[in-house]
Amino acid sequence: EVQLVDSGGGLAQPGGSLRLSCVGSGFTFGDFPMNWVRQVPGKGLEWLSYISSSSQTIYYADSVEGRFTISRDNGKNSVYLQMNGLRDEDTAIYYCARGYSFLSYWGQGTLVTVSS
Amino acid sequence: EIVLTQSPDTLSLSPGERATLSCRASQTINNNYLAWYQQKPGQAPRLLIYGTSSRANGIPERFSGSGSGTDFTLTISRLEPEDFAMYYCQRYGGSPLWTFGQGTKVEIK
Repeated sequence: EVQLVDSGGGLAQPGGSLRLSCVGSGFTFGDFPMNWVRQVPGKGLEWLSYISSSSQTIYYADSVEGRFTISRDNGKNSVYLQMNGLRDEDTAIYYCARGYSFLSYWGQGTLVTVSS
Repeated sequence: EIVLTQSPDTLSLSPGERATLSCRASQTINNNYLAWYQQKPGQAPRLLIYGTSSRANGIPERFSGSGSGTDFTLTISRLEPEDFAMYYCQRYGGSPLWTFGQGTKVEIK
């Protein structure tokens, strides 16, 4: 069974940093591209970042470019999102998701709250 | 930037009825890179349809997708109690690479 488990969320101050992690199981992690998507509670979905299976190709949404960094460690079946310069508007549930043109599997999400 | 607009915002129907959800793109979506997701409260989204009309693994036949160009539709032939949820369309390609519609809530009438 394919599983993605997100972790690392919590409370951060404006301007602060957090590092999110997502561990995959039930599939060959290194064969698949991965993404991060967020959702403000009660609102819609926003794609944030993509990393190819080999880490050679990386994309970011304009809203996080220059502040967030995606990376992966295929040996640990993990993808990460380093979030720096956090803002109030980054408060959301963050999901990792597997896929390229469509997102076939999603983690359960981890809540990030940015507040002083 | 391609914008996806879903309609209606809320669809109030009874179990057993047919649901028709619309997703309109501001520009033509190439190669039918259009997907649909279902999300229930407190849960992550679940892939229903990809490539406009292909059902994901384990998705019941009552869910179907259609459309081309700028107009796409998700149809639920007969609503089951577990189908009352939020539905999002999503497209790949362009900038940003992935965009989602704002969602349609299917609620019990």
